[in-house]
Amino acid sequence: GDQVEQSPSALSLHEGTGSALRCNFTTTMRAVQWFRKNSRGSLINLFYLASGTKENGRLKSAFDSKERYSTLHIRDAQLEDSGTYFCAALNNYAQGLTFGLGTRVSVFP
Amino acid sequence: DPKIIQKPKYLVAVTGSEKILICEQYLGHNAMYWYRQSAKKPLEFMFSYSYQKLMDNQTASSRFQPQSSKKNHLDLQITALKPDDSATYFCASSQDGGGRTYAEQFFGPGTRLTVL
Repeated sequence: GDQVEQSPSALSLHEGTGSALRCNFTTTMRAVQWFRKNSRGSLINLFYLASGTKENGRLKSAFDSKERYSTLHIRDAQLEDSGTYFCAALNNYAQGLTFGLGTRVSVFP
Repeated sequence: DPKIIQKPKYLVAVTGSEKILICEQYLGHNAMYWYRQSAKKPLEFMFSYSYQKLMDNQTASSRFQPQSSKKNHLDLQITALKPDDSATYFCASSQDGGGRTYAEQFFGPGTRLTVL
């Protein structure tokens, strides 16, 4: 079935630095969402993209349906950015999102 | 205030029993979904409903039955529970535009089910 390959599985960042998370898709997806799971286990919506890029504060996301990938960039990482980040995408025939396994981000002082 | 309520937060059941997981959304959405996350696996889509009608079912087992008594409710009844059903079940909702349009999905906090 369709897969969402998310990398890296874990990421350590010092405060003030940045990095990128990536999701590769095995098929064409029509939209992607990025989430962060908070300490209580709830999924917090970060981005929804059908194409192009979006930016929100220190986070920026891009989605290229044709090239089958999406990225999430974190810049100037803060301690509160720690958590598990998930991408999820919608293919052309299903109603439900296909999720990646997540990236566990740890930000250190 | 929480916009998507799932009850209970934790649930323990014995093998062979039946349980109902509750989901209510107060976002004014017309589409609702159920997902499941088992240990070491990604969240997996189970069902989608739009205007209280089943739109997509990716669950092989008929032991899982969604129930929509109101537009903003989508409960999940699970019968003949098995230990493999142990997972966290997430409800989600979106504003369905119909057809091939797609709207952002928002998730509830989940119900963690353990089957002994």
